[in-house]
Amino acid sequence: QKEVEQDPGPLSVPEGAIVSLNCTYSNSAFQYFMWYRQYSRKGPELLMYTYSSGNKEDGRFTAQVDKSSKYISLFIRDSQPSDSATYLCAMAGGTSYGKLTFGQGTILTVHP
Amino acid sequence: EAEVAQSPRYKITEKSQAVAFWCDPISGHATLYWYRQILGQGPELLVQFQDESVVDDSQLPKDRFSAERLKGVDSTLKIQPAELGDSAMYLCASSLGVQETQYFGPGTRLLVL
Repeated sequence: QKEVEQDPGPLSVPEGAIVSLNCTYSNSAFQYFMWYRQYSRKGPELLMYTYSSGNKEDGRFTAQVDKSSKYISLFIRDSQPSDSATYLCAMAGGTSYGKLTFGQGTILTVHP
Repeated sequence: EAEVAQSPRYKITEKSQAVAFWCDPISGHATLYWYRQILGQGPELLVQFQDESVVDDSQLPKDRFSAERLKGVDSTLKIQPAELGDSAMYLCASSLGVQETQYFGPGTRLLVL
């Protein structure tokens, strides 16, 4: 079993929809939770970074962490075609010395 | 805005050949990471440097892969000999320190024929 599980999709939604992306994890030592966006043939770029359980909002993006359930989510409001990309959850903590453990990535397409 | 630089962007090679990738981290970033991303999967850490020292190379196939960061700035990842299964995107990332935000470069896409 992988330490981080993420549904690869693909997910296709109309412009303006609310998108929900999710990851589950098994390692209780994870303390830092991130969402990266990766456009085709490009490197991942950091979208959201959270440390504690709860919600964190940044514009149209909301990251949610539930440590008791080992479950994290990313919500995208008013989705745009430019949001079409692969979304990767990533985690770190414990004795990993900063090593990120990534999910498989979810492919999102927002169509006009 | 400072960015992580990588070269080449694309590399095609034949199996059994040697290949090398270069990474220049954001200035002042002490921690440098090399990840490998197979198509359809998330990146997986190959090696992590703190300044010029390796702090984690547990997932680096040491029989064929080597990495160095001699002066604690830029880094080179080498594969010799390359195998078909090495075809992937090789990503470099850097951060100010351990547990700090990691910034990724554009990657080197390797195709081994």
